[in-house]
Amino acid sequence: KQEVTQIPAALSVPEGENLVLNCSFTDSAIYNLQWFRQDPGKGLTSLLLIQSSQREQTSGRLNASLDKSSGRSTLYIAASQPGDSATYLCAVDQGGSEKLVFGKGTKLTVNP
Amino acid sequence: DAGVIQSPRHEVTEMGQEVTLRCKPISGHNSLFWYRQTMMRGLELLIYFNNNVPIDDSGMPEDRFSAKMPNASFSTLKIQPSEPRDSAVYFCASNIDPNSYEQYFGPGTRLTVT
Repeated sequence: KQEVTQIPAALSVPEGENLVLNCSFTDSAIYNLQWFRQDPGKGLTSLLLIQSSQREQTSGRLNASLDKSSGRSTLYIAASQPGDSATYLCAVDQGGSEKLVFGKGTKLTVNP
Repeated sequence: DAGVIQSPRHEVTEMGQEVTLRCKPISGHNSLFWYRQTMMRGLELLIYFNNNVPIDDSGMPEDRFSAKMPNASFSTLKIQPSEPRDSAVYFCASNIDPNSYEQYFGPGTRLTVT
């Protein structure tokens, strides 16, 4: 059974700092890994999707990497801003199906 | 497109009452997912449909929960009878391409059962 872990559970950084969020998964037989952002009281917004054949994806100040063999992914945020404050969740498909298994997220606070 | 639409946004009910949550997926999307989010367990998949057909309901916690998708633009999640431990945020999501697996989420329904 796929399990997804995100460490740390919470992170607080000063504005302008570069930071890395971590995600690990137990079953490397995945097709995709997806990073989401969740603002308080809101739904999830998809940030980046990495297919298993890819090593990384970039969007603006965000860069996500995937290492299937080690069961790890990182989300790199450059030059963080207070508007980046949110909970970031990663999710992987389970056994190549459409089912996503989510980590519990990292709550990021960027202080001005 | 308006995105995934869920109603109601908030629901407060008493234990034992029936609760019905509604979802309208993004037009043209083939798959629809129901999730539940709690502090303790995080985000869990309850059930998903592909082309209106339930594919996997192994996440449905018990017989009190049921879900239907009568057509491509509407789905319901029903809890009968509701219990306090059902209190959570329920999300609906949809995707267009089963090969890309990129899911788009609705704003959620916050359910409180007293």
